[in-house]
Amino acid sequence: QPVLTQPTSLSASPGASARFTCTLRSGINVGTYRIYWYQQKPGSLPRYLLRYKSDSDNQQGSGVPSRFSGSKDASTNAGLLLISGLQSEDEADYYCAIWYSSTWVFGGGTKLTVL
Amino acid sequence: EVQLVESGGGLVQPGGSLRLSCAASGFTFSSYEMNWVRQAPGKGLEWVSFISSGGGTTYYADSVRGRFTISRDNAENSLYLQMNGLRDEDTAVYYCARGAPGAFDIWGQGTMVTVSS
Repeated sequence: QPVLTQPTSLSASPGASARFTCTLRSGINVGTYRIYWYQQKPGSLPRYLLRYKSDSDNQQGSGVPSRFSGSKDASTNAGLLLISGLQSEDEADYYCAIWYSSTWVFGGGTKLTVL
Repeated sequence: EVQLVESGGGLVQPGGSLRLSCAASGFTFSSYEMNWVRQAPGKGLEWVSFISSGGGTTYYADSVRGRFTISRDNAENSLYLQMNGLRDEDTAVYYCARGAPGAFDIWGQGTMVTVSS
């Protein structure tokens, strides 16, 4: 089982909200980790969006709008990326990552379609 | 302008070697951790290696440990990745990325490595 699991795809309408999940493998407690989120638009470099561990330990990437936010769902052992007020330009792949056992681990990525 | 520029990619046969370089500018290179991250065609991101700001600490992904070596020259503002024993599955775009720390906040444009006979 992978360390981080992300749904392959997500669809949402313009103006709506999108909720991305990044589920940590059983036995790896989401409460312990900073979850990092990246956006990669087609043909572009990855862009750092934010990191979230708790409401008191979080960071927004430089220039990233406040409609991008992080959270956690302890009940499902998942990190969350929330995007409100979806725009067509948000269509991209979204990756989560954690520093685990002296390595960086990325999730497989979720492709967001805005339609 | 903060910038990372990779070079050194190309076509190499299985079992061959390549050395990637990443030239940094616009920031105090010696103050930052650095990483290599790769992306196979049509696939997701895969972290490859980390090096501390002073170069004394390195980490590797299991998939490359023992074959790849990360290094840096702070006097030259440069990051390197020596890749030996290349395999088909190493085919990817290789990005150098600044650690801020932790977050990869600046990415180079990438250099393509193709392993094929």
